[in-house]
Amino acid sequence: DTGVSQDPRHKITKRGQNVTFRCDPISEHNRLYWYRQTLGQGPEFLTYFQNEAQLEKSRLLSDRFSAERPKGSFSTLEIQRTEQGDSAMYLCASSLGTGNTIYFGEGSWLTVV
Amino acid sequence: QKEVEQDPGPLSVPEGAIVSLNCTYSNSAFQYFMWYRQYSRKGPELLMYTYSSGNKEDGRFTAQVDKSSKYISLFIRDSQPSDSATYLCATDNTDKLIFGTGTRLQVFP
Repeated sequence: DTGVSQDPRHKITKRGQNVTFRCDPISEHNRLYWYRQTLGQGPEFLTYFQNEAQLEKSRLLSDRFSAERPKGSFSTLEIQRTEQGDSAMYLCASSLGTGNTIYFGEGSWLTVV
Repeated sequence: QKEVEQDPGPLSVPEGAIVSLNCTYSNSAFQYFMWYRQYSRKGPELLMYTYSSGNKEDGRFTAQVDKSSKYISLFIRDSQPSDSATYLCATDNTDKLIFGTGTRLQVFP
């Protein structure tokens, strides 16, 4: 049984470049979440999907951020025109739905230089 | 005021000690409470899950919720060096988790 898989695990990019992260949830999990975590802080909610529908977006998710889950399976999180403040770990998580355990992936580390 | 407050530590204890980790929350409507453990540069993993007030025990771990004071606790008995990690409390608010900042725990031999 594979857990939540994220790729790439580490990304260093220059300011102004675009980056994309991919998440593969646990099979049959219809809920998929994106969180962001900076050093010394807990994860902060960004957005979540129920199947392919994006149901909620945090105000942390600026216009430069876009998330998709086109077929209700894997998801991508794209950050356009990266800024140094975007440096963080981006965590993906999945669950079977309301009231069920939310499982996290190992995260994708982004460093913007 | 943050919705979930947690002392960031660090907390350093000798092996075998009883550890107490605590959080407070602001919204009395919160019903579900979780503790996640996060090792360095890894994703969080669920340790304990409780609903409403009361205690829940799992091996060396006990989670406690006091809704009257909006206080949640995690106790670790007979702490081990392998327990060294960051412990995150969280609550479930309309299908998304709200986390505290995490408390870094170090258990030394």
